[in-house]
Amino acid sequence: AQSVTQPDIHITVSEGASLELRCNYSYGATPYLFWYVQSPGQGLQLLLKYFSGDTLVQGIKGFEAEFKRSQSSFNLRKPSVHWSDAAEYFCAGGGDDKIIFGKGTRLHILP
Amino acid sequence: DAMVIQNPRYQVTQFGKPVTLSCSQTLNHNVMYWYQQKSSQAPKLLFHYYDKDFNNEADTPDNFQSRRPNTSFCFLDIRSPGLGDAAMYLCATSNPGQASRGYTFGSGTRLTVV
Repeated sequence: AQSVTQPDIHITVSEGASLELRCNYSYGATPYLFWYVQSPGQGLQLLLKYFSGDTLVQGIKGFEAEFKRSQSSFNLRKPSVHWSDAAEYFCAGGGDDKIIFGKGTRLHILP
Repeated sequence: DAMVIQNPRYQVTQFGKPVTLSCSQTLNHNVMYWYQQKSSQAPKLLFHYYDKDFNNEADTPDNFQSRRPNTSFCFLDIRSPGLGDAAMYLCATSNPGQASRGYTFGSGTRLTVV
């Protein structure tokens, strides 16, 4: 069955430190993969997406993600986080019919 | 700017009283989705419209219905809201064959049931 797993419910990093949020997927073929960010009480904003080609994709706000087929992973990274990055991050994947979401990782930033 | 607009941002309804949430889009996308997101959980797909074709998820309760009178608008009707239906409801759009671009989401409607 199709699934997206985010193993970390909460992540805390210090401002200026690097960040990696984990995402694993299970899908019959290579799915479309996305990372969304959600601030409290807000909708979902697309950070970046992958569907083919270069396995390292760049997104908005300085984020990037790397698709690794051998590990079924699509981890999100940022070299230096800012206090404004504190939010909920959702990995999502699917095909042309629908997208399903992981359970999310809440990112906390220490000053 | 082309966008997905959800009204209202916050909705309070009484237990058992029908409520309708609305979504409009200026993107001219063929597909519109409704997701339910409960506190600290992932968005869960309720149903979607591919043009006028309605596609219900197998585990979506009968209490939830939807209407799409035209390309631009889509409504979520909750016939008899229960306390467990309190959630953020997110509308999203996409075009067939362009799902790889990701969905465009509205800002959501937060529903409170009292």
